[in-house]
Amino acid sequence: GAVVSQHPSWVICKSGTSVKIECRSLDFQATTMFWYRQFPKQSLMLMATSNEGSKATYEQGVEKDKFLINHASLTLSTLTVTSAHPEDSSFYICSASTSGMADTQYFGPGTRLTVL
Amino acid sequence: ILNVEQSPQSLHVQEGDSTNFTCSFPSSNFYALHWYRWETAKSPEALFVMTLNGDEKKKGRISATLNTKEGYSYLYIKGSQPEDSATYLCAFGSGNTPLVFGKGTRLSVIA
Repeated sequence: GAVVSQHPSWVICKSGTSVKIECRSLDFQATTMFWYRQFPKQSLMLMATSNEGSKATYEQGVEKDKFLINHASLTLSTLTVTSAHPEDSSFYICSASTSGMADTQYFGPGTRLTVL
Repeated sequence: ILNVEQSPQSLHVQEGDSTNFTCSFPSSNFYALHWYRWETAKSPEALFVMTLNGDEKKKGRISATLNTKEGYSYLYIKGSQPEDSATYLCAFGSGNTPLVFGKGTRLSVIA
């Protein structure tokens, strides 16, 4: 149980294009979903927290107009990287929780984004 | 800024060896400490959630201890096997704020 899928697993795009990443909880309803970014040899850095039907809460330094998060249902959240640039190339990973902020999160497998 | 430190950064052990690594976290505003195992090309998998000082949890050959007063947790693997090769992440939770992750310890078990 508690399976989270994430698509695509990797994507290569041209600078200036937008990329959408989907995160789905397959066998449970997620109260909260989280989006992280990881640079090489660094820890998972939280970008934003989203609750179904409400606006996402972005961490300091994360541009909300660049990283659009939509949490349309209790099983789906999407992250859209708008007008991607090479510096946005990174590993993006989502997680989902059935309860509070500090409780167990169930992770997707991540998306490797490369912007040319 | 909350700091969660894991050591060592990486570790190579022989099959059958026992090993352990450390997670250090703030000793104030503690709510929970999580351990995850992250195998390459897979999703991080929750191993343990620890909430009480002195907690000790076990899952097969893997166990973890918690000291909230001094702000550290140890993860032990007894008789390491090649399938234990993964990155082990710890994450600190203070209740109302999101989890803060360490950089992980990358374990390689050589057959």
